[in-house]
Amino acid sequence: GAVVSQHPSRVICKSGTSVKIECRSLDFQATTMFWYRQFPKQSLMLMATSNEGSKATYEQGVEKDKFLINHASLTLSTLTVTSAHPEDSSFYICSARDRGGADTQYFGPGTRLTVL
Amino acid sequence: AQSVTQPDIHITVSEGASLELRCNYSYGATPYLFWYVQSPGQGLQLLLKYFSGDTLVQGIKGFEAEFKRSQSSFNLRKPSVHWSDAAEYFCAVGLYSGAGSYQLTFGKGTKLSVIP
Repeated sequence: GAVVSQHPSRVICKSGTSVKIECRSLDFQATTMFWYRQFPKQSLMLMATSNEGSKATYEQGVEKDKFLINHASLTLSTLTVTSAHPEDSSFYICSARDRGGADTQYFGPGTRLTVL
Repeated sequence: AQSVTQPDIHITVSEGASLELRCNYSYGATPYLFWYVQSPGQGLQLLLKYFSGDTLVQGIKGFEAEFKRSQSSFNLRKPSVHWSDAAEYFCAVGLYSGAGSYQLTFGKGTKLSVIP
């Protein structure tokens, strides 16, 4: 089956620093990747849609200068949380759409970000 | 705008008992419908999906779901629950967003506990 990886799985950083999270589709090409945020005991909230080779589309209320998304290839999208603050602490999950016709989103295992 | 309702926040069943998790959606057209499962601290795994055709959908791990248009429902069922099924279950609706892709809107999730 289609596999999506995320790196790192956990990161702890100091307030004010930037953190980059990678999302990779390991065995398929993904023209579209999605970034979600999940608060404890809550559902997933879509942050942005990332299309290969173009600018990401952000959901209402998501600061694009805060959450920088780059989708440079058909297998890699990155989310950079800039000048992180404690309120950015959350579980970040990416998904990738299988371009090969299954038309299904496959999810990565998530990244736990803790900002001190 | 589309929405997804999972009325049950937490369900506890005994191992071997049958299970039904409820999901209702609000959407102007026939949606794409999904059920995902999330184990603690993990990403989401697709259990099954409905795009069109047969309204009874078979998924992995012995799960099935039935799309009922008249009730705007897509309930998840399993005839005999195993202890390893304990997890959080999310129902999702897919909204076509153009360029051959779609965005997912998730319900708040139902936590399943299994009594040995």
